[in-house]
Amino acid sequence: EAGVAQSPRYKIIEKRQSVAFWCNPISGHATLYWYQQILGQGPKLLIQFQNNGVVDDSQLPKDRFSAERLKGVDSTLKIQPAKLEDSAVYLCASSPETGRRSYEQYFGPGTRLTVT
Amino acid sequence: SQQGEEDPQALSIQEGENATMNCSYKTSINNLQWYRQNSGRGLVHLILIRSNEREKHSGRLRVTLDTSKKSSSLLITASRAADTASYFCATAWNNQGGKLIFGQGTELSVKP
Repeated sequence: EAGVAQSPRYKIIEKRQSVAFWCNPISGHATLYWYQQILGQGPKLLIQFQNNGVVDDSQLPKDRFSAERLKGVDSTLKIQPAKLEDSAVYLCASSPETGRRSYEQYFGPGTRLTVT
Repeated sequence: SQQGEEDPQALSIQEGENATMNCSYKTSINNLQWYRQNSGRGLVHLILIRSNEREKHSGRLRVTLDTSKKSSSLLITASRAADTASYFCATAWNNQGGKLIFGQGTELSVKP
């Protein structure tokens, strides 16, 4: 079974520039998550999709971050404009779950973003 | 804010020894999960224990859950150098649709 794919793996941009990350979840997984992981910390959920609808975006800085999951499969996360504090690893995860139960999540390799 | 707090933050042991990591959390949970993260394989799910379970085993891993103390422990027996990684507990709340809250992690170093 193919895992969660993410691209690019690394990105270096200057502050105030924009950047986009792409994620392809495991085939058939209804739920997709984007996490931000700052060095030395655990992942923090930014947004959760179930199929192509947003379930939770309470911790997404909506003034600069946006995400979409067209057709309920691939997803993109965008930052515009980037700030220095956005330097982190952005992780995408997927899960077969629907509804209220929680299952294990399968993570992609992440995109390491450096904002200079 | 982070729901789970891991203890210790860092742990260094010799190969063959056992490693114990602890996790405390604040609110009622549906389940608690442990993940491992290293540079080679990213973040990988290890084990899930439900709120009505007290202990679970998977290979060399043993997880306990004490809901009265809101705490969990992960024991890795007969550790290997390949177990060197960061270990995170993640809690799933009731009726939160799968949302996980991760702790800060324990950095485990296993010396050959």
